Amino acid sequence: DAMVIQNPRYQVTQFGKPVTLSCSQTLNHNVMYWYQQKSSQAPKLLFHYYDKDFNNEADTPDNFQSRRPNTSFCFLDIRSPGLGDAAMYLCATSREWNNEQFFGPGTRLTVL
Amino acid sequence: AQRVTQPEKLLSVFKGAPVELKCNYSYSGSPELFWYVQYSRQRLQLLLRHISRESIKGFTADLNKGETSFHLKKPFAQEEDSAMYYCALRAGESNTGKLIFGQGTTLQVKP
Repeated sequence: DAMVIQNPRYQVTQFGKPVTLSCSQTLNHNVMYWYQQKSSQAPKLLFHYYDKDFNNEADTPDNFQSRRPNTSFCFLDIRSPGLGDAAMYLCATSREWNNEQFFGPGTRLTVL
Repeated sequence: AQRVTQPEKLLSVFKGAPVELKCNYSYSGSPELFWYVQYSRQRLQLLLRHISRESIKGFTADLNKGETSFHLKKPFAQEEDSAMYYCALRAGESNTGKLIFGQGTTLQVKP
């Protein structure tokens, strides 16, 4: 009965090699979020979609992109991963802006 | 700037002891405050939000605007409360839903 699914759970990539993380939801929520959580740090919002409207945080590096082809799926693309991009990436959804956010289990990215 | 501070990385108590996880925030507007919990090998999930003013699993939290705090309390800790707890803030005027998280406190309840 998983509601927010992230694949893969663990991803290893090489320095500079593009990587895509996937998130899907069965909740039919309007809003989807991507958070980055580095070791021992707080989760930090990278960007979010309200339906097809994309909202980028001002300090999100250009290296990070996102796609939402339909309501259910959202992707995080890292064009040229650096060592500093190694982190847990959390996807979350909510019905509207001010509703509870439901989180996926996260994808742990390792950059070699 | 909006900021959430959880001063304790680790809080260790014995079963049955009272628990208080501290959270302070910095925000000039009307904040919404939340506590999220992450049990071992599980996903982050909402524990409670200040506007609900309810008790969940015996936990309560009161928003103190004067002290800019939203401490999480439970009178008698249970072993199953052991988890990572995150305090989070959302700007009340926000139309983005953005959450600003603290760094988290690991609660360890010993038998």
